[in-house]
Amino acid sequence: DAGVTQSPTHLIKTRGQQVTLRCSPKSGHDTVSWYQQALGQGPQFIFQYYEEEERQRGNFPDRFSGHQFPNYSSELNVNALLLGDSALYLCASSGGGRAEAFFGQGTRLTVV
Amino acid sequence: AQSVTQLDSQVPVFEEAPVELRCNYSSSVSVYLFWYVQYPNQGLQLLLKYLSGSTLVESINGFEAEFNKSQTSFHLRKPSVHISDTAEYFCAVSDPGTYKYIFGTGTRLKVLA
Repeated sequence: DAGVTQSPTHLIKTRGQQVTLRCSPKSGHDTVSWYQQALGQGPQFIFQYYEEEERQRGNFPDRFSGHQFPNYSSELNVNALLLGDSALYLCASSGGGRAEAFFGQGTRLTVV
Repeated sequence: AQSVTQLDSQVPVFEEAPVELRCNYSSSVSVYLFWYVQYPNQGLQLLLKYLSGSTLVESINGFEAEFNKSQTSFHLRKPSVHISDTAEYFCAVSDPGTYKYIFGTGTRLKVLA
């Protein structure tokens, strides 16, 4: 079992650019959630996808959007990047009758 | 709205000493509670969880946590820490079945030789 995989692991972007982060959930899981973890902070919930629909959303602007594909993998898109978007972005997969979520290693995004 | 408070941002402790990492939550409904551990430059790993039933839950590596509904707490304890326990520990709460986690700000455990 490959677990939750995220790509890329690191990314450097310029202010104003757009970025796409990718996540493949754990085998048997159908729900993908995305979190933003700023340096020295706990993860903050961005949104959650289930059956290719956004099911829940945290307090993040519309610049943050996502998608879930039929194979349950997911993308997180961020438009018009700001310096404050620099963070570790974590993907969590869940489902399969388990109560807990499993996290990927994260994508470290640096906006310069 | 749910929230989680981790009262200690950093906890230094000597190797083989006991440790307690504190976590308090606020919620008006029944909750699931979790402790996750994060090693440098890595994602989160589940340490232990409380869903229902016995209020004392244990992990395979010697940690335990006790759910206290009256005090809305879920403190993490270990009777004897190792250098390898040095990491960031996050407490989280969720509504059952939603998989939407609210995390605390984390406690950095530093085990000293």
